Amino acid sequence: ETGVTQTPRHLVMGMTNKKSLKCEQHLGHNAMYWYKQSAKKPLELMFVYSLEERVENNSVPSRFSPECPNSSHLFLHLHTLQPEDSALYLCASSLGTGEETQYFGPGTRLLVL
Amino acid sequence: RKEVEQDPGPFNVPEGATVAFNCTYSNSASQSFFWYRQDCRKEPKLLMSVYSSGNEDGRFTAQLNRASQYISLLIRDSKLSDSATYLCVVNTGFQKLVFGTGTRLLVSP
Repeated sequence: ETGVTQTPRHLVMGMTNKKSLKCEQHLGHNAMYWYKQSAKKPLELMFVYSLEERVENNSVPSRFSPECPNSSHLFLHLHTLQPEDSALYLCASSLGTGEETQYFGPGTRLLVL
Repeated sequence: RKEVEQDPGPFNVPEGATVAFNCTYSNSASQSFFWYRQDCRKEPKLLMSVYSSGNEDGRFTAQLNRASQYISLLIRDSKLSDSATYLCVVNTGFQKLVFGTGTRLLVSP
């Protein structure tokens, strides 16, 4: 299935590095999301974009910076991360921001050293 | 109190068994409800939506009880391929999905 793709699939970075995660959806959806999944914890919603406009920022630290240049692409820019930021970062998309189903990408597994 | 609570399991069942998972949610204004399935090291995938009248999809039956604020998932005739983590998901409005920690199911031969 290639509806929602994410790159890279795995990333190791130091605390002083700057990196970006990329998400692309091929479903014609208008809403995109970033989630964080840490071990033994439920998925946590980070950001919601609807028609390229950020509509939700779930008290995420500023070291995570999202960007949505168009409705098909979503980025998460990372800088000066902490080891506790190591997690699986999942992108999702949905047709709108009502009650439509969200479809997830395969995730980027991030390790911060 | 957690917004969505699930028994983490694991539930160990033999092939062919019937197994049921429950989930409770705290926000009475929640709009819609889902079960997602997540395989090890993979992304969550929608298993089924949950409707007030209850709904069935093959071996899977989902029920919603709004008065008691709980959701259930019943799996009949378990297969080895059903082994996964089952996530209870509640939409509290404006596309804010709140996920439970998941219930792990292990089906053995």
